[in-house]
Amino acid sequence: DQQVKQNSPSLSVQEGRISILNCDYTNSMFDYFLWYKKYPAEGPTFLISISSIKDKNEDGRFTVFLNKSAKHLSLHIVPSQPGDSAVYFCAASDGSSNTGKLIFGQGTTLQVKP
Amino acid sequence: DTGVSQDPRHKITKRGQNVTFRCDPISEHNRLYWYRQTLGQGPEFLTYFQNEAQLEKSRLLSDRFSAERPKGSFSTLEIQRTEQGDSAMYLCASRKRQDRLLSSGNTIYFGEGSWLTVV
Repeated sequence: DQQVKQNSPSLSVQEGRISILNCDYTNSMFDYFLWYKKYPAEGPTFLISISSIKDKNEDGRFTVFLNKSAKHLSLHIVPSQPGDSAVYFCAASDGSSNTGKLIFGQGTTLQVKP
Repeated sequence: DTGVSQDPRHKITKRGQNVTFRCDPISEHNRLYWYRQTLGQGPEFLTYFQNEAQLEKSRLLSDRFSAERPKGSFSTLEIQRTEQGDSAMYLCASRKRQDRLLSSGNTIYFGEGSWLTVV
């Protein structure tokens, strides 16, 4: 049972354009969502997060949007840079469980072409 | 460097051997997590500790796997009688005490990971 899904395994965009990475979830108890970036042979690096009480959070070139009714979130990167090329994971946690553990999607590989 | 530290970074072992990985979390973080990641998948939760107490174990954690955090600081993950299916990246992460007033307190921070190859 995949509670967090990233249906696009890969995405290719031109440098300077917008990258949009999507994520869907099924568990309505999830109340905190995060995006991580991962380079090969390294651990995931925290990028940006959003609480379920918000619908948007922005940090520099990165913006995360949350649509609770659709159980969908997206990460926008504007403008995209070649250094953004990596695997992006969305993750979710259920605050009511108090474990803090995260459930991850399968990841989307972003390639930004110069 | 005050991030999460894992050792060794790479381990190649023969099937049937035992291996142990060590994780040193961020010093003020009381929660420590172990995840496993295989190619093409996202990290999968294995187990977590709050201080020295192991509070949850995933069904993925077979009886060949054991994790400890004896003094509430560093943690070890041991795999006994390794199998080829154990080949993966083992990730450790830590998080500070949850603060419901600060959503940023829910963020967990990962180490560089330990690659295991069982031949």
